[in-house]
Amino acid sequence: GAGVSQSPSNKVTEKGKDVELRCDPISGHTALYWYRQSLGQGLEFLIYFQGNSAPDKSGLPSDRFSAERTGGSVSTLTIQRTQQEDSAVYLCASSPFPIRGDGYTFGSGTRLTVV
Amino acid sequence: GESVGLHLPTLSVQEGDNSIINCAYSNSASDYFIWYKQESGKGPQFIIDIRSNMDKRQGQRVTVLLNKTVKHLSLQIAATQPGDSAVYFCAENGAGFQKLVFGTGTRLLVSP
Repeated sequence: GAGVSQSPSNKVTEKGKDVELRCDPISGHTALYWYRQSLGQGLEFLIYFQGNSAPDKSGLPSDRFSAERTGGSVSTLTIQRTQQEDSAVYLCASSPFPIRGDGYTFGSGTRLTVV
Repeated sequence: GESVGLHLPTLSVQEGDNSIINCAYSNSASDYFIWYKQESGKGPQFIIDIRSNMDKRQGQRVTVLLNKTVKHLSLQIAATQPGDSAVYFCAENGAGFQKLVFGTGTRLLVSP
């Protein structure tokens, strides 16, 4: 597609359940990023992929969070045993490598609500 | 550590006024800066960028100023319109860094 696509757009889950969030980057973009945005806050870096490898996963909050990328394209962010503090908008972005003048292209995000 | 912050969390202006949104950064190694606009329910959208070898860059109705001496970045929007109402983020990327570090954002409210 023309942009970064994320699914689902909204997810409500019960505390303790696992969730998977999906990101389809722009075709040809080798770099993929996950950020988290809590209500009224800035963007918190989670993980960065270059191809299928993750050189920087320093932002993952705990071992309940994991992410993978396959075929240098689609990425999945998995949160196990969700907690209420995981509620946030999870944003995915992709960019050509190295980073270009127009920076990242973001998707519209997945709004996760843990009840 | 790295940090990017903003002086004003909310800025209210009248339509037609010029707006200035400010941002401070702490990492002197950062060499690339970007301003993003985020409308409600959407992801951040690129507005304008600037590299550290410049101190000013202009786009359509927007100008970014970079003062490396005091590690300060600003976004100027000329003739602000109601459609400019959004949250604006600055972001920085340090030399060799593979990720952008974002500030907490400034909400711009434009009244007709």
